[in-house]
Amino acid sequence: QVQLQESGPGLLKPSETLSLTCTVSSGSISSFYWSWVRQSPGKALEWIGYVCNSGSTNYTNYNPSLSSRVTLSIDTSKNQFSLNLSSVTAADTAVYFCSEGVPPTIWGPGTLVTVSS
Amino acid sequence: QSVLTQPPSASAAPGQRVTISCSGSSSNIGKNYVSWYQQLPGKAPKLLIYDSNKRPSGIPDRFSASKSGTSATLAITGLQTGDEADYYCGTWDGNLRAVVFGGGTKLSVL
Repeated sequence: QVQLQESGPGLLKPSETLSLTCTVSSGSISSFYWSWVRQSPGKALEWIGYVCNSGSTNYTNYNPSLSSRVTLSIDTSKNQFSLNLSSVTAADTAVYFCSEGVPPTIWGPGTLVTVSS
Repeated sequence: QSVLTQPPSASAAPGQRVTISCSGSSSNIGKNYVSWYQQLPGKAPKLLIYDSNKRPSGIPDRFSASKSGTSATLAITGLQTGDEADYYCGTWDGNLRAVVFGGGTKLSVL
C-alpha cells in the first residue's frame, strides 16, 4: 500500500512562495496521477492540481482559480512530487494534503501552512 | 460556493440508516464517476467509495453509494458513534477541467 508524507515550512509571510514536498513510499511514482488538495480552517476541500510522469514527460493540470500561482513537479529519482504556490496571502492558510489519483484515493496526513506577517 | 451541493448536516440515531446527497451537473456527476470520503476530526480524508459505487478493501458494506443522472447518494446503515465525521463527495468536472468537491456534510449520530 502506497504511503504519502507531506513536508515543508509551516509558517510563511505574505508574498512568499509556499513549497511543499510529498514523499511516496512503498510504490513507484511513475505513471500515476498525484494531486494536491487543501482545506482552509473549517472549510471544504479544494483541489489544487495534479501531476503525472510518463517517461520523459510530466503532465500537469491546475485548478483554474489557482493556476496563475501554482506549479507542480515530480522528481522520480527521489520518488517525490512537489507544490509551489507563489505570492501567498492569509487566504492560503490551510492544511495541504498530497494524494494519489484523480479524484484522490490515498491521502497523506496533511500539513498545516500558516501565512502571517 | 462549492460546485457540488451537499446538505451541511445530517443526523440519525445509532443503528439507523442515513443518506447524504450530492448534486452536480452534466459536466461533472452527469459524465464522471463519483468518490465519497470520510473525514474524522483532525484527520485526512479517507476514501469510502470510488467509481460511484465501489468500496475499497477494508471499507465495511454498511457504506454504499449510487448515482443517478447528475446526483449521487451515500448511504450508511447500522450507524455507529464512530461514524460521526464530515463526508465529502468529489468528481472530475469536464468543463472546469478540475476535480470538484462538495461542501461537506457533518454527520451526527445522536
